[in-house]
Amino acid sequence: NAGVTQTPKFRILKIGQSMTLQCTQDMNHNYMYWYRQDPGMGLKLIYYSVGAGITDKGEVPNGYNVSRSTTEDFPLRLELAAPSQTSVYFCASSRQGAINQPQHFGDGTRLSIL
Amino acid sequence: QKEVEQNSGPLSVPEGAIASLNCTYSDRVSQSFFWYRQYSGKSPELIMSIYSNGDKEDGRFTAQLNKASQYVSLLIRDSQPSDSATYLCAVRREYGNKLVFGAGTILRVKS
Repeated sequence: NAGVTQTPKFRILKIGQSMTLQCTQDMNHNYMYWYRQDPGMGLKLIYYSVGAGITDKGEVPNGYNVSRSTTEDFPLRLELAAPSQTSVYFCASSRQGAINQPQHFGDGTRLSIL
Repeated sequence: QKEVEQNSGPLSVPEGAIASLNCTYSDRVSQSFFWYRQYSGKSPELIMSIYSNGDKEDGRFTAQLNKASQYVSLLIRDSQPSDSATYLCAVRREYGNKLVFGAGTILRVKS
């Protein structure tokens, strides 16, 4: 049971570089999410998707882009990395439907911008 | 006012005691509520979900919801050192599957 898989697990970027954080899930979930978590803080929603081809902004979308071409994959793109984007990034997915459907999280990507 | 508020802690309890973790939320029409446990350096994992007023028990864990007071809590009975972690409260709004997370409460169980 792979669940939600994120790659890479760790990455160091220089200011101004770009990269894509990969996320894939094998649970056939419609809903997928990207969060960032700064030290001692809760999770902040960056972007989310309710299905292939449909994405929407969350609480902190600036500096990020997403796409959802398939049900399984939901990559997060950083175009011009800034030190403020140093964080741990979590991808999650959930089933559409009943109000108590939980979100299932990947192991996270720890990103440092230097 | 934050949408979901938790005491950051740390909350220290002796092994075998009951740990009580609290969460308040501001959106009165919130539908469902989740408790996640997060070990240091790991991802959040779901412990409990609750969406009806009252208590819901699962093993050593009990979630309590009071929508009138906009309050949800998690009780951990017979606390173990392995329960030491950060506990995140998450609230789902009326529509959609988006969750709003609190900043979390650090729990330390001392043996």
